[in-house]
Amino acid sequence: GGIITQTPKFLIGQEGQKLTLKCQQNFNHDTMYWYRQDSGKGLRLIYYSITENDLQKGDLSEGYDASREKKSSFSLTVTSAQKNEMAVFLCASSIARLGEDTQYFGPGTRLLVL
Amino acid sequence: GDSVTQTEGLVTLTKGLPVMLNCTYQTTYSPFLFWYVQHLNEAPKLLLKSSTDNKRTEHQGFYATLHKSSSSFHLQKSSVQLSDSALYFCALASSGSWQLIFGSGTQLTVMP
Repeated sequence: GGIITQTPKFLIGQEGQKLTLKCQQNFNHDTMYWYRQDSGKGLRLIYYSITENDLQKGDLSEGYDASREKKSSFSLTVTSAQKNEMAVFLCASSIARLGEDTQYFGPGTRLLVL
Repeated sequence: GDSVTQTEGLVTLTKGLPVMLNCTYQTTYSPFLFWYVQHLNEAPKLLLKSSTDNKRTEHQGFYATLHKSSSSFHLQKSSVQLSDSALYFCALASSGSWQLIFGSGTQLTVMP
């Protein structure tokens, strides 16, 4: 089996601050994803990457940047934190095609902006 | 575009009773449907998945059948346990798509 690690577990930021979230997986999966989870709204895709150095925008990419320098890691940057923002950011990975393979999720980073 | 609808935001039941969580979807492509479960402060985990029409899929006492005629993939269990209290997400992947579309989730709370 494998594991997905997300750091930090909790992140408290200030309005306007640039914040970076990190994700590591040891499944040797090709595809990695970043989702945002808000209460009552399910999971919404921010960015995904199908291989090293590839980046694809999801429906919620505005206000975020991402980086996939290595196969095992995928970073997400909140470019300018919004006041009173509170959400959980989930990283996931899968082997390749969604229809055939499951996405495996990390435990999440909980963001609070003061 | 593709979409997933979960009509119940919150379901509260007494232990031992049956449950059905609704999921309907919309896509013009061949669908792959998933149910993910997320316990409090944990990562979502796959519970069930299916792409076969009218075939029941089971795991850990939960079951679901994909019905393409009605675009549904409802999650059921005959007798819920306290440990089933969690957030349940239905999700859709369309053939050839990299993206997984999630429903808004149903919070299941099981009371003693």
